[in-house]
Amino acid sequence: AQKITQTQPGMFVQEKEAVTLDCTYDTSDQSYGLFWYKQPSSGEMIFLIYQGSYDEQNATEGRYSLNFQKARKSANLVISASQLGDSAMYFCAMRVRQAGTALIFGKGTTLSVSS
Amino acid sequence: DSGVTQTPKHLITATGQRVTLRCSPRSGDLSVYWYQQSLDQGLQFLIQYYNGEERAKGNILERFSAQQFPDLHSELNLSSLELGDSALYFCASSGQGSSYNEQFFGPGTRLTVL
Repeated sequence: AQKITQTQPGMFVQEKEAVTLDCTYDTSDQSYGLFWYKQPSSGEMIFLIYQGSYDEQNATEGRYSLNFQKARKSANLVISASQLGDSAMYFCAMRVRQAGTALIFGKGTTLSVSS
Repeated sequence: DSGVTQTPKHLITATGQRVTLRCSPRSGDLSVYWYQQSLDQGLQFLIQYYNGEERAKGNILERFSAQQFPDLHSELNLSSLELGDSALYFCASSGQGSSYNEQFFGPGTRLTVL
C-alpha cells in the first residue's frame, strides 16, 4: 500500500535559519512523484516543489530544496533562510503511476517561524 | 491565484441536507480532482474526472457523487449530510501547462454541518 509519513507535527525555527521537514514514503512502484505543498492559515494549497523517482538530482525551487534519498525512501523539504511568511502547514504528497494521478498526502507538519 | 475557482467559499447546513460544491479548473486543464480535508482524516482523495469521464475513485462515500460537464467544470454533490462531513473540500486541476502533472488547488469550500 502507498503511504506518506510525516513524523513532525510541529517545527519551530527562527528567521533566517534553515529548517528540514521530514517525509518518508512507502510504495512498491518504481515510478512515482513526490510533491510538497504549503497551506497557510488562509487555507489554500500552494505547490512548492516536485521530485520524480527517476530524477538523479535533488529538486530545487528558490529557497526550497528536496533532499531525495531513494534507498531510504525519504523526501525531506529543506527551507533555507526562513521567513515569517513561511509559517504554515506543509504537506508531503506522492503520486504513484499504478494508482493513477491522484495524490496521497501525509498528515502535515506545522512550521512556525519567529523573529 | 492558482486559476482554479470554487464556489461557495463557505457553506453551513443541517444534517440530512444535500449540497452542491462547484469547481472551475484552470483554463485548458482536463483533469479535476476532489479532496476532503478534515481534522481526523487529514487530506484524502475523493474522486477524479478527466474530460467528462470518471477516472479514479478514492475514499468517496456512496452519499457523495460528482460529475464533470462539457465545459469542464465539476460539481461535487453531498447528500444525507452528517456532522462528520464537516470539512474543507478542495478541487484541484491538472493538465495543460503542468510539467509534472502537478495539481493546482482551488481555495476550497468550507462545509459546516450543524
